Amino acid sequence: GAVVSQHPSWVICKSGTSVKIECRSLDFQATTMFWYRQFPKQSLMLMATSNEGSKATYEQGVEKDKFLINHASLTLSTLTVTSAHPEDSSFYICSAITRPGPQHFGDGTRLSIL
Amino acid sequence: QQPVQSPQAVILREGEDAVINCSSSKALYSVHWYRQKHGEAPVFLMILLKGGEQKGHEKISASFNEKKQQSSLYLTASQLSYSGTYFCGTGGGNKLTFGTGTQLKVEL
Repeated sequence: GAVVSQHPSWVICKSGTSVKIECRSLDFQATTMFWYRQFPKQSLMLMATSNEGSKATYEQGVEKDKFLINHASLTLSTLTVTSAHPEDSSFYICSAITRPGPQHFGDGTRLSIL
Repeated sequence: QQPVQSPQAVILREGEDAVINCSSSKALYSVHWYRQKHGEAPVFLMILLKGGEQKGHEKISASFNEKKQQSSLYLTASQLSYSGTYFCGTGGGNKLTFGTGTQLKVEL
């Protein structure tokens, strides 16, 4: 149980394009989803907290207009990296919870911007 | 502020024990422990919710010292499958701040 699917697994695109990453809870309803960014050999850095039907809460230093988050339903949250540039290249991971407790992570998306 | 983990990295021979520490500059209300293998998603190990609590999961256990704002993860009789990077996560409510990470490698 508690399976989170993230798509795509990896994406390579040109500088200036926008990229959408999906995070789905497959067998449970997620009241809250989180989006993290992880650089090689570093920790997970929380970017934003997403609650169904409401605006995402972004962490300090994260550009809201750059990283658009939509939590349209209790099973789906999306992260759109707008006008992506090489410095946006990273490993992006989502997680989901049903209640306070363990976070269930997706497999992550490796984003490379050329 | 990000919790600090020690050691940063450790290499073990199969069957040896290890302790990973997580120290926070802020008061701790709960501590989560996760293991992440290279290129994969973090996997939940355990959560400690109150001071002094100790929890076990097979040969992996953890303690939580609320006063010292610390948690420790104990791995006994390590197996090759224990290799990975271990993260503690701290916070109140649902949001977690992950620690600096500890890379653990178990060799034959």
